[in-house]
Amino acid sequence: GAGVSQSPSNKVTEKGKDVELRCDPISGHTALYWYRQSLGQGLEFLIYFQGNSAPDKSGLPSDRFSAERTGGSVSTLTIQRTQQEDSAVYLCASSLAGTGYTGELFFGEGSRLTVL
Amino acid sequence: LAKTTQPISMDSYEGQEVNITCSHNNIATNDYITWYQQFPSQGPRFIIQGYKTKVTNEVASLFIPADRKSSTLSLPRVSLSDTAVYYCLVGAPNRDDKIIFGKGTRLHILP
Repeated sequence: GAGVSQSPSNKVTEKGKDVELRCDPISGHTALYWYRQSLGQGLEFLIYFQGNSAPDKSGLPSDRFSAERTGGSVSTLTIQRTQQEDSAVYLCASSLAGTGYTGELFFGEGSRLTVL
Repeated sequence: LAKTTQPISMDSYEGQEVNITCSHNNIATNDYITWYQQFPSQGPRFIIQGYKTKVTNEVASLFIPADRKSSTLSLPRVSLSDTAVYYCLVGAPNRDDKIIFGKGTRLHILP
């Protein structure tokens, strides 16, 4: 597709289960970002991938969160032992350049995670 | 990254012009100013970007004074569909760094 694709669009899980969220960026985009947005709140930065550089993981809230990006394309955000406070919309974005300030950040529709 | 300050929320009426101002006192020489719009249940989308003076596109205008310490996003003749959160970001081009969004301005258009 032409845009950033995220799956699943909705995920309901039980507390303590692991979940994986997938992001398929726009082809050729070297930068990929994950953000989290709780209801009525702003975007919380989680992690940033740029090309083959080591990812910036400074926004990950705990060691239960991890992400990888395989082959410089698809990324998976994994949340282990989910907690109720992990409930949020997880947004992925990609861009051509490392910064996005002269280009654009293209966002997916998000994955809504609900932890019961 | 330059810190930005913008109003938490604004209300306006259909047909009015809406101006949202963002303060960025510590903007650096190489920084650009970018605005994103986020509708409910959607990811943000880029609407306009500028470096100085005025930039206009089919969606909005961006006014940047000479000292660049603030900028104003102007939405002409708003409609109910312009109800959204608007984010102001400041950063340098070709800078390999994460992008941080602030809390944005929640704009509510009334009939």
